[in-house]
Order: sequence, then structure tokens, then C-alpha cells
Amino acid sequence: DAKTTQPPSMDCAEGRAANLPCNHSTISGNEYVYWYRQIHSQGPQYIIHGLKNNETNEMASLIITEDRKSSTLILPHATLRDTAVYYCIVHISSGSARQLTFGSGTQLTVLP
Amino acid sequence: EPEVTQTPSHQVTQMGQEVILRCVPISNHLYFYWYRQILGQKVEFLVSFYNNEISEKSEIFDDQFSVERPDGSNFTLKIRSTKLEDSAMYFCASSERTSGRNEQFFGPGTRLTVL
Repeated sequence: DAKTTQPPSMDCAEGRAANLPCNHSTISGNEYVYWYRQIHSQGPQYIIHGLKNNETNEMASLIITEDRKSSTLILPHATLRDTAVYYCIVHISSGSARQLTFGSGTQLTVLP
Repeated sequence: EPEVTQTPSHQVTQMGQEVILRCVPISNHLYFYWYRQILGQKVEFLVSFYNNEISEKSEIFDDQFSVERPDGSNFTLKIRSTKLEDSAMYFCASSERTSGRNEQFFGPGTRLTVL
């Protein structure tokens, strides 16, 4: 799986949009971009994933650049409960039991 | 909403003892995983399991570790002779078998403390 680069930490004011960047310049054509988060030693939680089109679900939006070398996770209205470590993971979705490789992620702190 | 469950939430054991960590994956999922996270470190993959056999395993998953799906619902991780460095959070995860959708759903974890 391709390597990703994320800033180690970010702050965001409560109620504002949180924009978390991720670089994955070596991504291959069949690799998806996945985002997970981990709230204080709980199990990682799936957020969203995409291949090349922008995606939106009830939790977040994912913007992938046209060259697919970077992406941004957007939490539109951050709350205190969104404080967590956010992981950007590049992963082949082949319908097989492939491991996720977690990096250090971005510690997002939502401030009141 | 279906979820992965794990028991116990916290296990304390003496070095050299055997422990079994239990997981109940989401019922229609076919792929199962174990990860661990030593305090303050990254989440690390241990092993994946499909169709009653190991699909992938990491270097961490040595002969001291084994996995089993003893019945239609449980998925277990056994550590035969625990070491101090096995102290960690152990997370079970499961996923569907659908190409293009491989999101893994994680349980709350078992905190293993080896004394």
C-alpha cells in the first residue's frame, strides 16, 4: 500500500469546518483512499473512502485531487466529540482480507 | 446498528500464562482481523482470517499467537505464553466480502496487561 503523509496535529473551533489534508503521491490506480478515526484508545472507526470522485456521507466529505496525489477530509461542523486521531490510509479494495496500515495520523483537537 | 463486540474489556495476566481474547464479528461479515496497539504507539496489524484459514499475518504474529473461529459467531486470539511486551490494546475487526467496499469495523478492544 502507498504511504501517506499527514500533519501531526490540528486545531479547529467548535462549529467550524475541519479540513484534514493527506498526501499520497505514490498511490496506484487501483488503490482507494480510506479515512478512519480513533477517539482516545477506542477502536478505530471507519469514516469514508473514495477512489477518484469526491464522496460525502453523514459523517464527512472527501475531496480527492484530480491527480489523486492528495485528499482532504472535511468535517463540516466540528463538535467536541470529533476530537480524535484521524488516519488517512491508502488501501486496495479487492474484496479480500487485506490489512490496513495505520500511520501516526493527525490529532484533531476541537476547541470550545 | 450491528457492531463488533469483544470480551473481556480488560485482562490482567501473569507472564507466561495463556490468554484467549474473544470477538464476535458482525454477523454477515466474512473477513476477520486482529490488530494491536501498544500504549502511545501506532495500531499494528496482526492477522487476517477468511474461510477458516489465515489470509495474512505480520511479523508480530509468531508461534505464540493463534486464531480460531470455533463456531459460527466467535473469533478468538490466543497467546500461548504471554510476555511483558504483549501488554497492549487488542482490536478485532471484520469486513464484508464486496469488491470496492472493504471498510473494516472495529470492536472496542481488550486491554491486556501482562505482569
